[in-house]
Amino acid sequence: GQQVQQSPASLVLQEGENAELQCNFSSTATRLQWFYQRPGGSLVSLLSNPSGTKHTGRLTSTTVTKERRGSLHISSSQITDSGTYLCAMERSTNTGKLTFGDGTVLTVKP
Amino acid sequence: GPKVLQIPSHQIIDMGQMVTLNCDPVSNHLYFYWYKQILGQQMEFLVNFYNGKVMEKSKLFKDQFSVERPDGSYFTLKIQPTALEDSAVYFCASSLQGNNQAPLFGEGTRLSVL
Repeated sequence: GQQVQQSPASLVLQEGENAELQCNFSSTATRLQWFYQRPGGSLVSLLSNPSGTKHTGRLTSTTVTKERRGSLHISSSQITDSGTYLCAMERSTNTGKLTFGDGTVLTVKP
Repeated sequence: GPKVLQIPSHQIIDMGQMVTLNCDPVSNHLYFYWYKQILGQQMEFLVNFYNGKVMEKSKLFKDQFSVERPDGSYFTLKIQPTALEDSAVYFCASSLQGNNQAPLFGEGTRLSVL
């Protein structure tokens, strides 16, 4: 089965609304990383944390490793937030290998 | 800021030909990665490379695939011969550490095998 599952698959918001993206993983992870994939395809690293909560700007990442879940909260969404958000799991193999989920496609409308 | 550069951005070749995808990683990074993403599908790990050697490879990294970084130049992914199912976007990434650090990704090379 899929090791990293993201939900919802897609999300449509009005500008200014908040978004909550979920990530569940089936194996022991040492860290969850969140990426934003631009419509053109390139990836931008957003947040990375092994456990607990981490903030940057309007983004908050929460990881509960023992429950094998994480979330990304986007507050006051903007049209430019539209794109695909990928959750990736890192395991303790010291090789840096990431296992990605299918992503959540976020569309923010004016 | 630092960037991972991938050359070319798009490559079109005939099935059975050889192709080399080039990646110019961040200069002081030590770990290098290739990921494959078929259009509309999941990003999947292919291989990682450290200290001149492959550390780990996935089942997608077929015998026709090889990687190298001769003398600190480009980190390359070679596919010989190519197959139709190799059509995808290939992303290169690099990082200073092997874990606990988000790698920096390139813009990707779109490979179309006809």
